[in-house]
Amino acid sequence: AQSVTQLGSHVSVSEGALVLLRCNYSSSVPPYLFWYVQYPNQGLQLLLKYTSAATLVKGINGFEAEFKKSETSFHLTKPSAHMSDAAEYFCAVDSGNTPLVFGKGTRLSVIA
Amino acid sequence: EPEVTQTPSHQVTQMGQEVILRCVPISNHLYFYWYRQILGQKVEFLVSFYNNEISEKSEIFDDQFSVERPDGSNFTLKIRSTKLEDSAMYFCASSYRGTNEKLFFGSGTQLSVL
Repeated sequence: AQSVTQLGSHVSVSEGALVLLRCNYSSSVPPYLFWYVQYPNQGLQLLLKYTSAATLVKGINGFEAEFKKSETSFHLTKPSAHMSDAAEYFCAVDSGNTPLVFGKGTRLSVIA
Repeated sequence: EPEVTQTPSHQVTQMGQEVILRCVPISNHLYFYWYRQILGQKVEFLVSFYNNEISEKSEIFDDQFSVERPDGSNFTLKIRSTKLEDSAMYFCASSYRGTNEKLFFGSGTQLSVL
């Protein structure tokens, strides 16, 4: 069975600093991996996805994530945080078009 | 951009009462889902629905839960007799092809059972 672990329920960075949100997964088959973002009072919005093409995936708003099979990781990064990036971020795995399995989420705060 | 709409955004109910959470999926989508997130826990899959029947459900989705697409536009989740542990954020989602790559989520309904 697949699972997702997001390290750190809350991450705080200064504006302009690097954002790094960690996600490790467990899957018995090659996975599809997703990052979703939830802004206050809004739905889950797809940020980016890995579907077995390029291991470095670029998403919206300057975010990117790298699939590392050897580390079973799919960490989300952004070189320079902006105040508008403050949100809840969810990593999710799909192994063979099964229902998505989500992590617990990481709340990102950006300090001016 | 089309979006999945959920109403109400917040619902407060007494334990033992029935609640219906409503969702309007994107109009040409064929696959519909409910997920939920208990505070501080993971977003969990509840049920998927296609062609007017449940295609998959999780262990959470017991006899207290039911789903319906009553009129071709709405997709509802009913909890017959709510328990305290049903308090959670409930997300509706829809897709055209039934793949997770093209899944659109609503903004959620926060259900509080007192």
